[in-house]
Amino acid sequence: DSGVTQTPKHLITATGQRVTLRCSPRSGDLSVYWYQQSLDQGLQFLIQYYNGEERAKGNILERFSAQQFPDLHSELNLSSLELGDSALYFCASSVAGTSEETQYFGPGTRLLVL
Amino acid sequence: DQQVKQNSPSLSVQEGRISILNCDYTNSMFDYFLWYKKYPAEGPTFLISISSIKDKNEDGRFTVFLNKSAKHLSLHIVPSQPGDSAVYFCAARPYGGATNKLIFGTGTLLAVQP
Repeated sequence: DSGVTQTPKHLITATGQRVTLRCSPRSGDLSVYWYQQSLDQGLQFLIQYYNGEERAKGNILERFSAQQFPDLHSELNLSSLELGDSALYFCASSVAGTSEETQYFGPGTRLLVL
Repeated sequence: DQQVKQNSPSLSVQEGRISILNCDYTNSMFDYFLWYKKYPAEGPTFLISISSIKDKNEDGRFTVFLNKSAKHLSLHIVPSQPGDSAVYFCAARPYGGATNKLIFGTGTLLAVQP
């Protein structure tokens, strides 16, 4: 158990819908990362937050947005869902989000868009 | 554009023998390389890392080798155990900035046969 929790574990929805994925970092970690793993792909970095502020952005679609709240949990919002958004979404956390820190991953949320 | 590549989707090894997992990268602007292990229905777990200024790092049964001129790194597991059966991801961190974002390969499924 990494100490990072993600809810829900599974999500099935329809195209055009909007969903929210939730992540709680390890106790004491200030930085949160979101990654997407599509079928037969590696994990693709989406976005990083540190203490409520956006720190880095990857190839995150405009239909996707995220935020980190004062209690440090984070939410990833996916809207106007398409079939291709079906994937595993992982959240990770680290203490400060800077060099050489180990990222600890949650178990992921599996999203299926029908 | 896949900057970190794991060209072997799977590898099968006998228990007690050496497992060698390979990873190639195309971008010289990485300063840190990591290996993560992933079991089904769990998030990736950090295994071992190496700085770009080193060519070898060892931790128990796990050794990572870095060949900068060939832009290649490998993970050696000796001796392999059935519990090592998992998907192994190679990851790299770009130089500079205040972010710790990682770029992942597509993973290699290791099966250790008893």
